[in-house]
Amino acid sequence: QKEVEQDPGPLSVPEGAIVSLNCTYSNSAFQYFMWYRQYSRKGPELLMYTYSSGNKEDGRFTAQVDKSSKYISLFIRDSQPSDSATYLCAMSTGFQKLVFGTGTRLLVSP
Amino acid sequence: DAMVIQNPRYQVTQFGKPVTLSCSQTLNHNVMYWYQQKSSQAPKLLFHYYDKDFNNEADTPDNFQSRRPNTSFCFLDIRSPGLGDAAMYLCATSRDPGGGETETQYFGPGTRLLVL
Repeated sequence: QKEVEQDPGPLSVPEGAIVSLNCTYSNSAFQYFMWYRQYSRKGPELLMYTYSSGNKEDGRFTAQVDKSSKYISLFIRDSQPSDSATYLCAMSTGFQKLVFGTGTRLLVSP
Repeated sequence: DAMVIQNPRYQVTQFGKPVTLSCSQTLNHNVMYWYQQKSSQAPKLLFHYYDKDFNNEADTPDNFQSRRPNTSFCFLDIRSPGLGDAAMYLCATSRDPGGGETETQYFGPGTRLLVL
């Protein structure tokens, strides 16, 4: 079993839809949770970073962490074609290493 | 703007010909990482430097080496590239404020390596 599981997609939605991206994990020592966005042939770009259970909002993006269920989510409101990318969840015990999910490819059609 | 810079963005090399990829950062972060990412896969950590201390992942082939001459620069050397080494190579940095816990990582744009 992988430490971090993420559905690879692709996930196709129409413009304006609410998108839900999810990851589950098995290591209860993970304390820090991140979402990265990666456009084709580019490096990952940090979107959201949180270290506590609950919700964190930044513009159209909301990150949700449920440590009791070992489940994290990223919600994108009013999705735009420019949101089309691969979204990687990543998590860490805090000691230097990140463990990534395999990424979910999102396609937002106009 | 503070950032992570990778050069070159695209590198073509021949099978078995040594190649060096470079990374520089203006963030003044004390931890630097090298990842390998193949198509549709998650980034795979090769090694990282905590200040000058080199930390190799157990499954990183000996063909891959790294140098960090100062805080700002880090190099990835591939001594004898094989066809299977064609990938995107990502450099990342993070700040360890002390106590062993590291903040999140910031990535460069990557170098795409093609091996002919």
